Amino acid sequence: NAGVTQTPKFQVLKTGQSMTLQCAQDMNHNSMYWYRQDPGMGLRLIYYSASEGTTDKGEVPNGYNVSRLNKREFSLRLESAAPSQTSVYFCASSHTGIRVYTFGSGTRLTVV
Amino acid sequence: AQKVTQAQTEISVVEKEDVTLDCVYETRDTTYYLFWYKQPPSGELVFLIRRNSFDEQNEISGRYSWNFQKSTSSFNFTITASQVVDSAVYFCALSEVFKAAGNKLTFGGGTRVLVKP
Repeated sequence: NAGVTQTPKFQVLKTGQSMTLQCAQDMNHNSMYWYRQDPGMGLRLIYYSASEGTTDKGEVPNGYNVSRLNKREFSLRLESAAPSQTSVYFCASSHTGIRVYTFGSGTRLTVV
Repeated sequence: AQKVTQAQTEISVVEKEDVTLDCVYETRDTTYYLFWYKQPPSGELVFLIRRNSFDEQNEISGRYSWNFQKSTSSFNFTITASQVVDSAVYFCALSEVFKAAGNKLTFGGGTRVLVKP
């Protein structure tokens, strides 16, 4: 019962480096999401994918790109990391029409 | 635009006290869902409850209860007889409905609950 799997769990980057956060779900969900969590601000939506082949910007998309590789996988890429991107990143998925989200365990990213 | 406000940033109580977490939301949708999630110190997000906008019945689950008042756009959460294990950050969230598929969750800023023994 894997649910939503995120890798890596922890990462330290230097300013300007790039990296990709991976997310995979095994529940046959249509929709997938990337959120970032910062103290006192709750979780904010970065990008989402309502279905395979589509992606859309959320509330805070600047500095990020995403790829919905297939129905299972939705990756988040930081092309040139900045200290402001230090955060905890959560991937989530949901089934069309069913208002239940499943969240991954999070990736703690530090940009120095 | 959707908005969720949790005015209480931190609440500290002594074990066995009741604690109520406030949540006020804004939406133009007539159909929406409201959620509460718990984030314990370990960091994962734990789903607690989902409520649709047509169901205003209050709900009780063990020591947890929820009061949904559409007239005041509030969805408050009460923990009765709090325990140390209830120490966590609690998030209220609202979902809008895509035209195509899926839905997006808008979160409040969270309320940190500290239960002291």
